[in-house]
Amino acid sequence: QVQLVESGGGVVQPGRSLRLSCAASGFTFSNSAMYWVRQAPGKGLEWVAVIAYDGRNQFYADSVKGRFTISRDNSKNTLYLQMSSLRPDDTAVYFCANDRGVVTPTYYFDSWGQGTLVTVSS
Amino acid sequence: EIVLTQSAATLSVSPGERVTLSCRASQSVSSNLAWYQQKPGQAPSLLIHGASTRATGIPDRFSGSGSGTEFSLTISSLQSEDFAVYYCQQYLKWPLTFGGGTKVEIK
Repeated sequence: QVQLVESGGGVVQPGRSLRLSCAASGFTFSNSAMYWVRQAPGKGLEWVAVIAYDGRNQFYADSVKGRFTISRDNSKNTLYLQMSSLRPDDTAVYFCANDRGVVTPTYYFDSWGQGTLVTVSS
Repeated sequence: EIVLTQSAATLSVSPGERVTLSCRASQSVSSNLAWYQQKPGQAPSLLIHGASTRATGIPDRFSGSGSGTEFSLTISSLQSEDFAVYYCQQYLKWPLTFGGGTKVEIK
């Protein structure tokens, strides 16, 4: 079955950088768009970024545009989120999620990882 | 940006009862709406997509309906494992957006 395992979270000071990873298995990673979604403590869900199956196209939420970069390595079945200029309001659990569409995305989130917590604090 | 409003923040329901959750969109999303369930300490999981299509493995006590701007998720007979937070999400336009969530708690 689909398995998504995030890693790389932790405590980081404001203005610093952090890279999250998401290791995927159980589906054809190279055929699927992938997403990052975050959830601030006690709050709702916020879509962060999406990357096409081949990595050629990415879209970002306005709240992270210019600071976060989504990427993927299809040879390693791994998704990344490079986060820079981190702010306290970036504090959240970050989930990766896959798209069930083959090459053509559906734009809803089929399976989710368990998430990794990022805390931005001095 | 399309804003999704889940008017009830919390619903208190007894096991075995029927409950209907609502989600209203600020503009039409056609049928491009999904529902997710999130239990405490867990990741969300997909329940419904296309407004009314159950995801794989979802029991038929869950049903979705609506189109355009008004949507609902109905749980026909609440089981103990259904007490959770439910989110709607639209995927017609960027940015992808979620409703604020409705918590279904035990009455």
